[in-house]
Amino acid sequence: AQTVTQSQPEMSVQEAETVTLSCTYDTSESNYYLFWYKQPPSRQMILVIRQEAYKQQNATENRFSVNFQKAAKSFSLKISDSQLGDTAMYFCASSQGAQKLVFGQGTRLTINP
Amino acid sequence: GAVVSQHPSWVICKSGTSVKIECRSLDFQATTMFWYRQFPKQSLMLMATSNEGSKATYEQGVEKDKFLINHASLTLSTLTVTSAHPEDSSFYICSAQAGQWNTGELFFGEGSRLTVL
Repeated sequence: AQTVTQSQPEMSVQEAETVTLSCTYDTSESNYYLFWYKQPPSRQMILVIRQEAYKQQNATENRFSVNFQKAAKSFSLKISDSQLGDTAMYFCASSQGAQKLVFGQGTRLTINP
Repeated sequence: GAVVSQHPSWVICKSGTSVKIECRSLDFQATTMFWYRQFPKQSLMLMATSNEGSKATYEQGVEKDKFLINHASLTLSTLTVTSAHPEDSSFYICSAQAGQWNTGELFFGEGSRLTVL
């Protein structure tokens, strides 16, 4: 069975700082996807970034980038130049071919002005 | 991007009644939709996988007779909470796949908050 672990329940940084959210996962599959989702107070789930396991290159989306360490089963999210609008719950998730997402426990990120 | 809409966004009902929540893909066809449940300050837990034209596949521990799922068309899946009780109060979220899975992305609805009195 897949498991996803986020060991940081809460994090807080100042605006414009860089913050890294940690995530580890466990899967027996060779082909899978990894995701970071953002859930702001509105509760709408928003995809931040995704990574195909077979790709060695780390995914990047503007200020968001990941550090994908396949052997260590680690998938951390780095947010550069953090903004007040980045305040939200962040969920790491993994999926296999069946499309089902397994979510981590979440990290509540607060960006302070 | 693809849009998934849920209705109602908030519902309050009396204990013992049934509540139906709709999940619609507005600008794409979704052969597969997923229903999640989220308790306050907790993560999303997958309840079931809804396939168009066939029976839903429920996760272990989810009562299929209590949480009825119907996926009658390529754009609509419904979740009915039957004989709701206060412990069923939660935030229910649906998601849908647009296109081939090799795009690796699911689109989520806005969620529906159920409060059972």
